[in-house]
Amino acid sequence: DSGVTQTPKHLITATGQRVTLRCSPRSGDLSVYWYQQSLDQGLQFLIQYYNGEERAKGNILERFSAQQFPDLHSELNLSSLELGDSALYFCASSAPGQGFYGYTFGSGTRLTVV
Amino acid sequence: DAKTTQPPSMDCAEGRAANLPCNHSTISGNEYVYWYRQIHSQGPQYIIHGLKNNETNEMASLIITEDRKSSTLILPHATLRDTAVYYCIVRVSSNFGNEKLTFGTGTRLTIIP
Repeated sequence: DSGVTQTPKHLITATGQRVTLRCSPRSGDLSVYWYQQSLDQGLQFLIQYYNGEERAKGNILERFSAQQFPDLHSELNLSSLELGDSALYFCASSAPGQGFYGYTFGSGTRLTVV
Repeated sequence: DAKTTQPPSMDCAEGRAANLPCNHSTISGNEYVYWYRQIHSQGPQYIIHGLKNNETNEMASLIITEDRKSSTLILPHATLRDTAVYYCIVRVSSNFGNEKLTFGTGTRLTIIP
């Protein structure tokens, strides 16, 4: 157990629907990062939050949005889903003072759009 | 962040040392070399990082050339559980822990029994 909790582990939904992925960072970590990994593809950075504020944005579609709540958990909202959105979605967290030692990733949410 | 080049795949016999190369010829003086690995469909796992000196921890060793343009990750006694995709990442680091990691395509290492 890495300490980063992602729910749900698996999600199957239909095209056009909306889903919410949840991430609870390690205790004490202020930063949350979201990544998307399509089948046999690399990890694509989507967005980062730091202590409730958006800090960096990557290749995130306009149909996707995220937020980080006061208790530091984060949610990634995916709407108007398309078949191509099927992927593993990973959340990672890091703490101030731990930047040298990398980030801790969760076990991911596997999204299947049918 | 500087770009990295890694071979797409490598094989290594179980029990032997696995040496994974990474080229980062455009690395800047304040950029670190990080290594992560991803075991099939799991979240990436931090392995080791370094600036210019060789580093060793319980998982691996990192050898960085004197000109810092390339590095090698060494798994001293590879086991079947080391089969994974290994990512070499070069980035500026701070002690604040709030900078994103940019992953390339990595090296798929297969440990052969």
